[in-house]
Amino acid sequence: DAKTTQPNSMESNEEEPVHLPCNHSTISGTDYIHWYRQLPSQGPEYVIHGLTSNVNNRMASLAIAEDRKSSTLILHRATLRDAAVYYCILRDKVDYGGSQGNLIFGKGTKLSVKP
Amino acid sequence: DSGVTQTPKHLITATGQRVTLRCSPRSGDLSVYWYQQSLDQGLQFLIQYYNGEERAKGNILERFSAQQFPDLHSELNLSSLELGDSALYFCASSVAVDRYYGYTFGSGTRLTVV
Repeated sequence: DAKTTQPNSMESNEEEPVHLPCNHSTISGTDYIHWYRQLPSQGPEYVIHGLTSNVNNRMASLAIAEDRKSSTLILHRATLRDAAVYYCILRDKVDYGGSQGNLIFGKGTKLSVKP
Repeated sequence: DSGVTQTPKHLITATGQRVTLRCSPRSGDLSVYWYQQSLDQGLQFLIQYYNGEERAKGNILERFSAQQFPDLHSELNLSSLELGDSALYFCASSVAVDRYYGYTFGSGTRLTVV
């Protein structure tokens, strides 16, 4: 799996937007970009994923650069509950065929949210 | 509640012992994944099962084994435990191996080896 680079930590103020960056310069054409987050003392939680186009769901938005070498997870209004470690993960859609089903987690970005 | 149930939540045992961690996947999910999270290693993939069959192996020690039963629940067996096996063990499930719906993780079992 291609490697991703994320800042170790970020800070945000409550109710302000947060932009979490991820660099993946060696991404292949069939790699999907996935984001998971892990709240303190909990298991990871799926946030969003995409291939080329920007994606929105109830939790967040994913903005993907035109060359796909970077992406940004956008939390539109941070709450205290959004304080977590955010993981950006690449996974080849070929893996969806069953040969390798696992997600490879890096160290992620620890997001702190100030009241 | 994510729908993935892991038991027990906490486990304290002595070195050399054997323990079994249990995972019930979300209803309808056929794939089960086991991960280990320790402070210095982050989340490490151990093993994946799909509908009762082993599909992928990660950094799983020979002292560890797992299986998925016909009712789709899974067990992770850890034997000859060492202090370094102390960690959080997470189970995750997903609908199918061949399509992506996101993984659902349980709240984990915290294993302490003393």
